[in-house]
Amino acid sequence: AQKVTQAQTEISVVEKEDVTLDCVYETRDTTYYLFWYKQPPSGELVFLIRRNSFDEQNEISGRYSWNFQKSTSSFNFTITASQVVDSAVYFCALSFITGTASKLTFGTGTRLQVTL
Amino acid sequence: DAGITQSPRHKVTETGTPVTLRCHQTENHRYMYWYRQDPGHGLRLIHYSYGVKDTDKGEVSDGYSVSRSKTEDFLLTLESATSSQTSVYFCAIRDRSSGANVLTFGAGSRLTVL
Repeated sequence: AQKVTQAQTEISVVEKEDVTLDCVYETRDTTYYLFWYKQPPSGELVFLIRRNSFDEQNEISGRYSWNFQKSTSSFNFTITASQVVDSAVYFCALSFITGTASKLTFGTGTRLQVTL
Repeated sequence: DAGITQSPRHKVTETGTPVTLRCHQTENHRYMYWYRQDPGHGLRLIHYSYGVKDTDKGEVSDGYSVSRSKTEDFLLTLESATSSQTSVYFCAIRDRSSGANVLTFGAGSRLTVL
C-alpha cells in the first residue's frame, strides 16, 4: 500500500516570504516516482515536477525548489520569495515506476494563501 | 495541450438518477483515468483504462462503472447517484510527452447530487 501525507492543511504567508510545503510518503516499493501538482483557484491541475527514487538530487526551477530525502521519506517543496500568483492548493503524489498503469496516489493537499 | 475534454462541466441531479460523465481525448493516449476530488481527501482514483474495453478499479470504485468502447472516449457512470457522490470529477491521461507516469488532467466536472 502507498500513502502520501501532507500534514499542513493551510498555510498563509505574506508576499516575498519563503514557504515550504511538506510531503511525507509511505511505500514498500524500492522504485517509485514522486510528483507535485498545483491547483490554482481556477481549478485545473497543473503538473510541476516528477522525481524518481533513484535520484536524490535537489532540483531548482526559478523560485521553486524540491528537496527529496529518501532517508526520511520526504519530498518537500519550497517557494522562495512567494507571490500572490502562487496562491493555490498543492498536491504531492506517488506512483510505482513499473506496472500498475501509472496510478497516482495523492496527498490531501496544502492550500497556500499569499497576501500582499 | 493534451486535448482532454470533459462533459458536462457542471451538473445538478437528484438522488437515484443515473449520471454519465464523458472524457474525450484527441491524441490517441492509451491510458485514461477517473479521479474524484473531495475536501480532506485530495484526489482518489475511481477507475482507469489501459485500452479499448480494458478497465480496472481504483480505490473508490463502489457505485461507479466505466466503459471505453473507443480509444478517445472514457465514460464514467453513476447508475443511481447518491449525495455522497457529490464531488468534482477529473479525467486524466498518461501523457508520455511530459515524462513517464505523468498524468495530465482535464478541467473537471462538478457534480451535485441533491
